[in-house]
Amino acid sequence: SAVISQKPSRDICQRGTSLTIQCQVDSQVTMMFWYRQQPGQSLTLIATANQGSEATYESGFVIDKFPISRPNLTFSTLTVSNMSPEDSSIYLCSTTSGSFQETQYFGPGTRLLVL
Amino acid sequence: AQKVTQAQTEISVVEKEDVTLDCVYETRDTTYYLFWYKQPPSGELVFLIRRNSFDEQNEISGRYSWNFQKSTSSFNFTITASQVVDSAVYFCALSVDYGQNFVFGPGTRLSVLP
Repeated sequence: SAVISQKPSRDICQRGTSLTIQCQVDSQVTMMFWYRQQPGQSLTLIATANQGSEATYESGFVIDKFPISRPNLTFSTLTVSNMSPEDSSIYLCSTTSGSFQETQYFGPGTRLLVL
Repeated sequence: AQKVTQAQTEISVVEKEDVTLDCVYETRDTTYYLFWYKQPPSGELVFLIRRNSFDEQNEISGRYSWNFQKSTSSFNFTITASQVVDSAVYFCALSVDYGQNFVFGPGTRLSVLP
């Protein structure tokens, strides 16, 4: 499976600011996914990012709030814009890779606290 | 629409006890994939197992075993002789789109006490 890293691992931010989260994969992958996990909750898909095309957002998530870039086949960024305390969550990126394209493998996550 | 239910919100056991985590899924698709993930306190999501809908064979991996029953739409996970390191939130997930559109259950928080 692919090895996925995320930066930063955690951050504390002030409301109204923006944070960009980076996701790096050790091999070229077609699809990358961004999830949000609010405290004590399950994972919710924010968007799917394919290289060379605009990200596809799930219902309830919009590009102005969560702009995503996918400049190449190993890297993606998610920006959380104009943050409020409700954005405090773990943000995880994932991808499918290798012989088992039906399986998603996840990065270590970014813990975000918005004050 | 797909749905995953994990009825057990929290489970506490004493070390060395066996514990079973329940997962019930709903889908009208005949081809689908089921997964279990472990999320320790560090927050990362660790893949444990995948199962496709055509393979009902149960699987054992060390202290972990999985029981897949299509007749009851269940994919239960048993930890034998639990250890403190098994303490985590466990998620069951379903996908009908081969790597996309994962639906996660609400998770079961397992606490293994020494």
